[in-house]
Amino acid sequence: DTGVSQDPRHKITKRGQNVTFRCDPISEHNRLYWYRQTLGQGPEFLTYFQNEAQLEKSRLLSDRFSAERPKGSFSTLEIQRTEQGDSAMYLCASSSADWAVNYGYTFGSGTRLTVV
Amino acid sequence: KQEVTQIPAALSVPEGENLVLNCSFTDSAIYNLQWFRQDPGKGLTSLLLIQSSQREQTSGRLNASLDKSSGRSTLYIAASQPGDSATYLCAALYYGQNFVFGPGTRLSVLP
Repeated sequence: DTGVSQDPRHKITKRGQNVTFRCDPISEHNRLYWYRQTLGQGPEFLTYFQNEAQLEKSRLLSDRFSAERPKGSFSTLEIQRTEQGDSAMYLCASSSADWAVNYGYTFGSGTRLTVV
Repeated sequence: KQEVTQIPAALSVPEGENLVLNCSFTDSAIYNLQWFRQDPGKGLTSLLLIQSSQREQTSGRLNASLDKSSGRSTLYIAASQPGDSATYLCAALYYGQNFVFGPGTRLSVLP
């Protein structure tokens, strides 16, 4: 297990299209987080899962966004009817409660979304 | 409200200089504070993590300190190199597992 993997690395889509991103966490980690980072800003929390349960969602996560973690392993983040304001880097991180306290969060390389 | 701020927003220095990046956080109820490096268009690379019970951590030319009582952390970079040019982000893990980032400091080291 080499860390947190995200796919795709880059996505260019036309406004109004739907897009889906995937995150594969470190296998021992039961917690998975999604963050969004716009240009010149720090990452902002979107949502997190503990196992397959989605325990918290930010107000940033509009109705067009949905995230799943069906078997408590990988997660998908879908954006429906994309808007230009959705253009950002989408970052995934994983941890466990003990891991986060001792080692912090481990982030993937991110998916950069450009909506044209 | 749990909030993390960083100053300066941007910094440009000549190669070889020692420099300090600052991070401030509201609410001292944190488990740890983590410093990351981010190259343009790339993901986050963890540099150092300081536990709330620790005062500092060192890795190579990097030294990070933590003062919980004042809500401050600093990242010290010794003998800066052009390869250090990147954005540096700090993030605090608050009780309740809320991980909050600062906006980052964009560093340019000129050859």
